Amino acid sequence: GIQVEQSPPDLILQEGANSTLRCNFSDSVNNLQWFHQNPWGQLINLFYIPSGTKQNGRLSATTVATERYSLLYISSSQTTDSGVYFCIGSQGNLIFGKGTKLSVKP
Amino acid sequence: SAVISQKPSRDICQRGTSLTIQCQVDSQVTMMFWYRQQPGQSLTLIATANQGSEATYESGFVIDKFPISRPNLTFSTLTVSNMSPEDSSIYLCSVAPSGNDEQFFGPGTRLTVL
Repeated sequence: GIQVEQSPPDLILQEGANSTLRCNFSDSVNNLQWFHQNPWGQLINLFYIPSGTKQNGRLSATTVATERYSLLYISSSQTTDSGVYFCIGSQGNLIFGKGTKLSVKP
Repeated sequence: SAVISQKPSRDICQRGTSLTIQCQVDSQVTMMFWYRQQPGQSLTLIATANQGSEATYESGFVIDKFPISRPNLTFSTLTVSNMSPEDSSIYLCSVAPSGNDEQFFGPGTRLTVL
């Protein structure tokens, strides 16, 4: 089946720093989403981005479908950005990455 | 989009007992999905619940352990039966209401089995 690799697996930032999270797929997927799982376990939709670039405040995402990867940019990070970021692809079933655990220190 | 609620939000249970988790959606959806997230892991699909038919279970999950009900197009329940400490996880329901595979998740039920 399709494999999803997320990098880095862990990331520690100082508040105010910028970061880039990456998601690579071993094969093409129909759709791609980015989620943030907060420390309480809730999965929050960030972007639905099968291709192209989207921005929402301090966050933006770019998916290059032809090269089977997606990037999530976090600018001016805040402590509330801490948690696990998942990319999820769709090809019939959902395909989950293992996530990037982000810790933002004050 | 979709607004999804789950009950309970968390519970601590004794081994050998069962817990039923409820999932309510603010719109009618054809399919509802149940996931398990074990500590420190990603999500694993348990089953897909269609209204009016038996749920479809993924490999490694069986109906006797995780019975599912889907009485209407906005509601589903998942029961975790005869619990053991290995069942301690977050259980999440999700829907894809827009027809384009965009997924929305409920807030999750954090289960601890002692």
